Amino acid sequence: GNSVTQMEGPVTLSEEAFLTINCTYTATGYPSLFWYVQYPGEGLQLLLKATKADDKGSNKGFEATYRKETTSFHLEKGSVQVSDSAVYFCALSGMNTGFQKLVFGTGTRLLVSP
Amino acid sequence: DVKVTQSSRYLVKRTGEKVFLECVQDMDHENMFWYRQDPGLGLRLIYFSYDVKMKEKGDIPEGYSVSREKKERFSLILESASTNQTSMYLCASSLFGGRSYEQYFGPGTRLTVT
Repeated sequence: GNSVTQMEGPVTLSEEAFLTINCTYTATGYPSLFWYVQYPGEGLQLLLKATKADDKGSNKGFEATYRKETTSFHLEKGSVQVSDSAVYFCALSGMNTGFQKLVFGTGTRLLVSP
Repeated sequence: DVKVTQSSRYLVKRTGEKVFLECVQDMDHENMFWYRQDPGLGLRLIYFSYDVKMKEKGDIPEGYSVSREKKERFSLILESASTNQTSMYLCASSLFGGRSYEQYFGPGTRLTVT
């Protein structure tokens, strides 16, 4: 079945450092890929998405590229801010569910210090 | 502004009680979802509904039931609450169809069963 694996956290960085959070997936066919973010005390919200190979999703300085050959969708940001402290979830939707359902990774907590 | 609301942010119930968690969305979405979020496990789908009175079991439906009598409202029911159902419960909604539609999440209900 479909699954998502992402790096365990917490990831602890200083402000303005470079961020990478790794995400790999297993799926049949060509899934759609998403990064969601959960700020403290809130629900999840979509950060970015990509629906086909080599697509790059981007938002708020974050980027991720859909790599079919490595089945990866790593999240990157060139310079993190304290306000980026949150939990980040990688997710996919697959052909086997008509792209209606999401499968989530376990989440990676990011802590950014001033 | 799109919105998914959940009836309670925090709830404390006793073992054996019947518990209702309510979710309302104002976006006229066809799909609605109930997840539970636990540390180290990410989000796991409990139930999914793609239309009024239609429901589909997710990955962990045991001990739960759902009701969708109106398009905007999706209820999660714990028939007889148990301590292992202590968790964060998240409701979400999305449009039906299309491989890139995002899910919109409510703020969550933290349920404690004592």
